[in-house]
Amino acid sequence: GQQVQQSPASLVLQEGENAELQCNFSSTATQLQWFYQRPGGSLVSLLYNPSGTKHTGRLTSTTVTKERRSSLHISSSQITDSGTYFCAMATGGNNKLTFGQGTVLSVIP
Amino acid sequence: EAGVTQSPRYAVLQEGQAVSFWCDPISGHDTLYWYQQPRDQGPQLLVYFRDEAVIDNSQLPSDRFSAVRPKGTNSTLKIQSAKQGDTATYLCASSLLGDTQYFGPGTRLLVL
Repeated sequence: GQQVQQSPASLVLQEGENAELQCNFSSTATQLQWFYQRPGGSLVSLLYNPSGTKHTGRLTSTTVTKERRSSLHISSSQITDSGTYFCAMATGGNNKLTFGQGTVLSVIP
Repeated sequence: EAGVTQSPRYAVLQEGQAVSFWCDPISGHDTLYWYQQPRDQGPQLLVYFRDEAVIDNSQLPSDRFSAVRPKGTNSTLKIQSAKQGDTATYLCASSLLGDTQYFGPGTRLLVL
């Protein structure tokens, strides 16, 4: 089955630094979505970006479909950005999202 | 606009007991998904519906799990005889025509 690899597994930043999260997948993505989850919380959709570059607030996602990778850039990180970031993709035009294992981000003062 | 709602929020069972989870998707969303998220892992799709039809249930343990969406709106996921390995958060999500998926708060299940 399709695989989604996220890196790094964890990341510690000082407040104000930028973060770059990576997602690589084994098949060509027809859907690509980035999610955020606080411990014990639900999944919050951040960006839907199967190709190209999308922005929202301090977040930028770039997906290069041919290279089977996507990145999430967080600028000027804040303590409230701490949590787990998941990348999820679907292929072949179906809606079956496969999730990566997540990147745990900790932003410290 | 109301988001995806789920109930109960928590459930604690002994092995062998049954439990049902309920999901109300975003109004107008035709596609509904159930995911299982073990602790410290990413969610894994169990089953998804378009309207009332099951589109894919290949990851649903059919001997003990069942899911229905009879009128194409609300959905129920049932575990017939729970095992300790079923301990996880069960997430419901919905989307319109396979676009962005929106998740509910989840039901945290602990099987003792």
